[in-house]
Amino acid sequence: DAGITQSPRHKVTETGTPVTLRCHQTENHRYMYWYRQDPGHGLRLIHYSYGVKDTDKGEVSDGYSVSRSKTEDFLLTLESATSSQTSVYFCAISESAAEPEAFFGQGTRLTVV
Amino acid sequence: GESVGLHLPTLSVQEGDNSIINCAYSNSASDYFIWYKQESGKGPQFIIDIRSNMDKRQGQRVTVLLNKTVKHLSLQIAATQPGDSAVYFCAERGGGADGLTFGKGTHLIIQP
Repeated sequence: DAGITQSPRHKVTETGTPVTLRCHQTENHRYMYWYRQDPGHGLRLIHYSYGVKDTDKGEVSDGYSVSRSKTEDFLLTLESATSSQTSVYFCAISESAAEPEAFFGQGTRLTVV
Repeated sequence: GESVGLHLPTLSVQEGDNSIINCAYSNSASDYFIWYKQESGKGPQFIIDIRSNMDKRQGQRVTVLLNKTVKHLSLQIAATQPGDSAVYFCAERGGGADGLTFGKGTHLIIQP
């Protein structure tokens, strides 16, 4: 999907363990976003980044942290996974603040048992 | 907080007919609206967008209408095809970079 790769695509982990999801883009877009998608909730913003080392919280940021050390990579970390974080996670990118997140990754399905 | 929502969770139409998917929003400060299509197992795919200073925008087989008076957004798909089967989301942005607020989605089913 337009130069966005999410890894892993699927993961099962145990409650209390740390988990890191990776989003890699080859479009050189400045803005990157992490969303989660749950039945009945649509997509909800977790965190976003507006440049290297520049990040901010979204609507559902509790329990998540992010890092962006390079333009192309945006990492989402669950410090201590809980069952409520079982979800499908999507990364998105946009070129500027004025443009929508035009490109989404394929998603990562995370199951916390 | 304010949210974007959809009137119907499922819409079934005959192949070849036109489809209209509706969306109600409540944040009057939003200045940018987007429609996405999501097929099973894939990420959302951008379809069309519209800014709040417009009331209509057309793309290939799709038209988005924005009625700010009643805070209503619609997506019209002309001559619906089997490949149009998907979940359609409307989303809004308040003007900054702080992401989108998505509706819950409408599942469009195409009957042969």
